[in-house]
Amino acid sequence: AQTVTQSQPEMSVQEAETVTLSCTYDTSENNYYLFWYKQPPSRQMILVIRQEAYKQQNATENRFSVNFQKAAKSFSLKISDSQLGDTAMYFCAFRTMNYGGSQGNLIFGKGTKLSVKP
Amino acid sequence: GAGVSQSPSNKVTEKGKDVELRCDPISGHTALYWYRQSLGQGLEFLIYFQGNSAPDKSGLPSDRFSAERTGGSVSTLTIQRTQQEDSAVYLCASSFLMNTEAFFGQGTRLTVV
Repeated sequence: AQTVTQSQPEMSVQEAETVTLSCTYDTSENNYYLFWYKQPPSRQMILVIRQEAYKQQNATENRFSVNFQKAAKSFSLKISDSQLGDTAMYFCAFRTMNYGGSQGNLIFGKGTKLSVKP
Repeated sequence: GAGVSQSPSNKVTEKGKDVELRCDPISGHTALYWYRQSLGQGLEFLIYFQGNSAPDKSGLPSDRFSAERTGGSVSTLTIQRTQQEDSAVYLCASSFLMNTEAFFGQGTRLTVV
């Protein structure tokens, strides 16, 4: 079974600084997707960034980028120029590319609570 | 609709009562997911649907929990004989294909008193 581990329950960063959130996962699959979701106090889950396992290039979305290390099964999120609005819970998630059975599940880590301080 | 809609937003119920939580996915989305999130915790997978069938129900915590999906659209999560430990936010998500990102509703906050 696939598992996702986020080892940092809480983190804080000063506004305008850079912070990296860690995520590791365990799978025997070769093809899969990885995601980072953000959940602000409003409770709405928002997709931040996604990465296809077959792509070697790390995904980037504006101030958000990932460091995807497939061999190490690591998928960290880097937030540059942190803003107060980045304060939220961040969840790492995994899904295989296969159809059917339990392989379609979107498996989440337990989350990292990020606080951006002025 | 424009997004995933869940109702009610909040539900307070007495211990032992049954509750139904509704999820209206984005039109055309074939996959639908239910998660439970306790206060300050991560997302606990409950069940997912591909069309009207549920390939994986392994996350349902007990036989008091059941879910159905009709017409490949709306889904209802039913909790019978609610217990205080059922108090949580229940999140629903949908996706167009199994291999794309899921979009989430705002959740239903269930409080069992």
